[in-house]
Amino acid sequence: RKEVEQDPGPFNVPEGATVAFNCTYSNSASQSFFWYRQDCRKEPKLLMSVYSSGNEDGRFTAQLNRASQYISLLIRDSKLSDSATYLCVVTTDKLIFGTGTRLQVFP
Amino acid sequence: GAGVSQSPSNKVTEKGKDVELRCDPISGHTALYWYRQSLGQGLEFLIYFQGNSAPDKSGLPSDRFSAERTGGSVSTLTIQRTQQEDSAVYLCASSLAGGWGNQPQHFGDGTRLSIL
Repeated sequence: RKEVEQDPGPFNVPEGATVAFNCTYSNSASQSFFWYRQDCRKEPKLLMSVYSSGNEDGRFTAQLNRASQYISLLIRDSKLSDSATYLCVVTTDKLIFGTGTRLQVFP
Repeated sequence: GAGVSQSPSNKVTEKGKDVELRCDPISGHTALYWYRQSLGQGLEFLIYFQGNSAPDKSGLPSDRFSAERTGGSVSTLTIQRTQQEDSAVYLCASSLAGGWGNQPQHFGDGTRLSIL
């Protein structure tokens, strides 16, 4: 089993839609959690950290469920510019990246 | 510049040659990380530096790969006797503090390595 698993997608959604991604991790001792965004042929960029209490940044909401060992990212009112790959990242004794979920927002 | 700088941005070389990739982290960042991303794959961790020492080299795929960091700043990743499977984008990241804690990593643009 992979340490961090994501549905690779692609998720194809219309502008204005709400879309949610889940990510599961295998190590219950994982300490920190992040969502990164990666555009095609570009480096990953930090989107947001994920806190136990859940956190929101504009149209983006991140949730952590330690009991079930999953992290979620919710994007509301999708924009064309949200099209990218979203990487779930978990730290244990190292940083582990999921393989990413591809999102394509269409007009 | 203010970000992580990597050079060269692209490198094409023949199988069997040695290559050296350079990373200049954000000033003041003590931790530096090397990753690679092969076509269609996720990010693969290679090595992590805290200052000039590398507490975690577990991701280096073979003894053809080595890395060093001097002065707590610039790092070089060297691949000897390159093979075609080494073709990938090599990404460097730095963070303010060491370890794998809450400090987010800032990535460079990467070096796209192609082995012919």
